[in-house]
Amino acid sequence: QSGLTQPPSASGTPGQRVTISCSGSSSNIGGSYVYWYQQLPGTAPKLLIYRDNQRPSGVPDRFSGSKSGTSASLAISGLRSEDEADYSCASWDDSLSAVVFGGGTKLTVL
Amino acid sequence: EVQLLESGGGLVQPGGSLRLSCVDSGFTFSSHTMSWVRQAPGKGLQWVSIISDSGGSTYYADSVKGRFTISRDNSKNTLYLQMNSLRAEDTAVYYCATIVDTAMPEDWGQGTLVTVSS
Repeated sequence: QSGLTQPPSASGTPGQRVTISCSGSSSNIGGSYVYWYQQLPGTAPKLLIYRDNQRPSGVPDRFSGSKSGTSASLAISGLRSEDEADYSCASWDDSLSAVVFGGGTKLTVL
Repeated sequence: EVQLLESGGGLVQPGGSLRLSCVDSGFTFSSHTMSWVRQAPGKGLQWVSIISDSGGSTYYADSVKGRFTISRDNSKNTLYLQMNSLRAEDTAVYYCATIVDTAMPEDWGQGTLVTVSS
């Protein structure tokens, strides 16, 4: 089953703003919400953004999500060392009747 | 608060079977749609299966359809994944998760590792 497309890596320095992209199609991102997950090293994923741009309680407002057409982005402002993790996007795919994930982006804080 | 704990992983030979369990120590298990998601070593997340709160509806990824069966026992707050005809490509950490917005994982367990190898 085809997934969403993310860059394998991203990096930034403390305090910087970084964005991670997620590309899909009309059958997923173009017609469904996008969700973002943060996975710290050796731990389970954590829901970071839901319904394109909503933050669960407890998620800092440094994290924000946006969507345009068949692409979405996760932005992290005021980058901190503890933000170093893998970030994955996900969406429902109508043609596959399945949840599809991106391959994940490893964020390095330099 | 949702607290999910998976168990049942281990080493199994190709063609073998394994049953995973996921216990929810919270008090709202029976009201949650539940899912299994896996992650092969060094790879991205892959959705496996989903089951409705009553257990009456189930869905599977094409890669596991016909081989895996998801089920639940609401009286025991437990989710299951019966895995048959296992293949090397099924090697992964398997996570159970509650669902938000019909199909999207929300709260995750810590995962259990399944290794398929001879």
